[in-house]
Parts: sequence; structure tokens; C-alpha cells
Amino acid sequence: DARVTQTPRHKVTEMGQEVTMRCQPILGHNTVFWYRQTMMQGLELLAYFRNRAPLDDSGMPKDRFSAEMPDATLATLKIQPSEPRDSAVYFCASGPPGVGEQYFGPGTRLTVT
Amino acid sequence: GESVGLHLPTLSVQEGDNSIINCAYSNSASDYFIWYKQESGKGPQFIIDIRSNMDKRQGQRVTVLLNKTVKHLSLQIAATQPGDSAVYFCAENPSSGTYKYIFGTGTRLKVLA
Repeated sequence: DARVTQTPRHKVTEMGQEVTMRCQPILGHNTVFWYRQTMMQGLELLAYFRNRAPLDDSGMPKDRFSAEMPDATLATLKIQPSEPRDSAVYFCASGPPGVGEQYFGPGTRLTVT
Repeated sequence: GESVGLHLPTLSVQEGDNSIINCAYSNSASDYFIWYKQESGKGPQFIIDIRSNMDKRQGQRVTVLLNKTVKHLSLQIAATQPGDSAVYFCAENPSSGTYKYIFGTGTRLKVLA
């Protein structure tokens, strides 16, 4: 049963610290998405990649967030420095070639104090 | 993303009855739509999709209806079960060939025993 995996599942950190979240997309999927979910804003697209190339990161605060795909099996989302307003659940999703369904990982719950 | 706030619309349905969850989408040019189910503490789970050249699509116990005239999408769940209790989101793809899905605010479905 192929699934998107994310690590860590939970992260508590202090303001100013660097946070790195990792995602392993489903094998064979060529699009990878990073979303953030909060109670107030719902689900927001931060960035997405196709064939490892970043296609759009307009939803991401550029000064502190960065997203990369070092290889086809790993996507990373980094926040440096982290702020309390970054507290949210961060989801990674992957999708097969073509515009179609996305499969979400279990999320990383980030708390910045 | 859409604002969710602290007060998600809630639909309460008796076990065994049919459920209808509605969604108004924003862009008349959107050509692809997805319904997701999100259980507490988990990532959104793909349920069913529909393309804009269709009015109706059926899956196992679920049916999606698309009314492009009024930009309305609905999800019908037959014989609702306790395991159907979750938050349901619709997502639209407003631009063909891109992956910038817009997610709806979500509806919480509560199944009463």
C-alpha cells in the first residue's frame, strides 16, 4: 500500500530555531506539494514541484521558508528562523503524472514557542 | 486558501441515512474537482474526482454532482456509516495544466448512532 511519508510527525521548537520537515512521495509520482493547515486559514498551498523542479512557491514566505527536492524520493521544507505564527500542520502530497488526484501524507504538527 | 475559522459548517446525519455535502467553487474556468475526507489527526484522503466535461460521477457509496451553471459541487454519501464522520473538503483546479488547487472551507459530517 503506497503512501506518502513525512517526518517528524510532531515538532516543538523555540522561536528562532531552524526546522526541517521531510517527505517521501509515492514512488512514480512526479508532482510534490507542500501545504500548511491552520484553523483560521484552512489548507494553503506553499509550493509544488514537478519532476523535482520547483514550479510555484508563491504561497511561501520567501525570507524564511525554503523547499527543495534533492532527489525523487525526498522533498524538504525548511523554516529558518521559525516564528510562533508558523505553528500549523504541514502536509506533503504527491501526485501521478498529469493533473489529477493528490495523495497526502500524515502531516507534521509544528509548534513554535 | 479559504478562511476556515473556528466554526466549520456541520452536518449531522442519522446512521444509515444519505448525506449531501455542498461546495460552492469560485472560478468558472476550473476544469477539475476533487473531494477529500479528513479524519482527526490525519491528512486529507482522496475520495472522488470529476472533470468539468461531466455532470455526475459515481464511486463506491459516493456520488459527485457538478453544476457548472451555478458553480456548485456536491458529494452524496449513501447509507452513511459512523466511519464517515470527518471533515470533507472540495478542491478545484482553476487553471488547466497547473496544480494550484483551491480548497473549500470544509464541512464537518457527524454521524449519529
